[in-house]
Amino acid sequence: DQQVKQNSPSLSVQEGRISILNCDYTNSMFDYFLWYKKYPAEGPTFLISISSIKDKNEDGRFTVFLNKSAKHLSLHIVPSQPGDSAVYFCAASAPNTGNQFYFGTGTSLTVIP
Amino acid sequence: DAGVIQSPRHEVTEMGQEVTLRCKPISGHDYLFWYRQTMMRGLELLIYFNNNVPIDDSGMPEDRFSAKMPNASFSTLKIQPSEPRDSAVYFCASSLAPFNEKLFFGSGTQLSVL
Repeated sequence: DQQVKQNSPSLSVQEGRISILNCDYTNSMFDYFLWYKKYPAEGPTFLISISSIKDKNEDGRFTVFLNKSAKHLSLHIVPSQPGDSAVYFCAASAPNTGNQFYFGTGTSLTVIP
Repeated sequence: DAGVIQSPRHEVTEMGQEVTLRCKPISGHDYLFWYRQTMMRGLELLIYFNNNVPIDDSGMPEDRFSAKMPNASFSTLKIQPSEPRDSAVYFCASSLAPFNEKLFFGSGTQLSVL
């Protein structure tokens, strides 16, 4: 059973525009969320995180929004750059699962120059 | 630091053969994780070790899968016998703390079982 879902396998955006990647989860006990970025032939690397006590966390061009009532989080990239083209995974953890991270299936972002 | 090193990068084998994937974690990291990436399920945790001791192997799909960590600088994931449905990318990751965001992943092993 997939507890973290990324329903868009791919997304294409023009350079300079906003990229919005979405993630939904089912476990209401999840209290910590992360986004990882993965380039081809490389392992995922940590991008940004958010705790359930917040609804927004910003780091430069990257902002993560959390809507707990909707069990939804999103990653905004503004402005998008060609170097942002990668696969983005969202992940979530909960204290009652030993804080194991559950990953989504990923969204492949292509930023068109 | 060289980061987490996995070998081989690619493995193509026939059904029924034994497959061994290898991982060298970052020196000083106490935790080592094996993940499997598939299109359908994303990144799944298979097993993790703390100080070379397996802590949770509930993600290991079947008895055909086994993992060892004989010392702090080496771990193996073995599949015997391999099946076509085992085809996936297998990642090793290490960290200073369990399930910390600072998981450092290797480049992965692309396994194809024919």
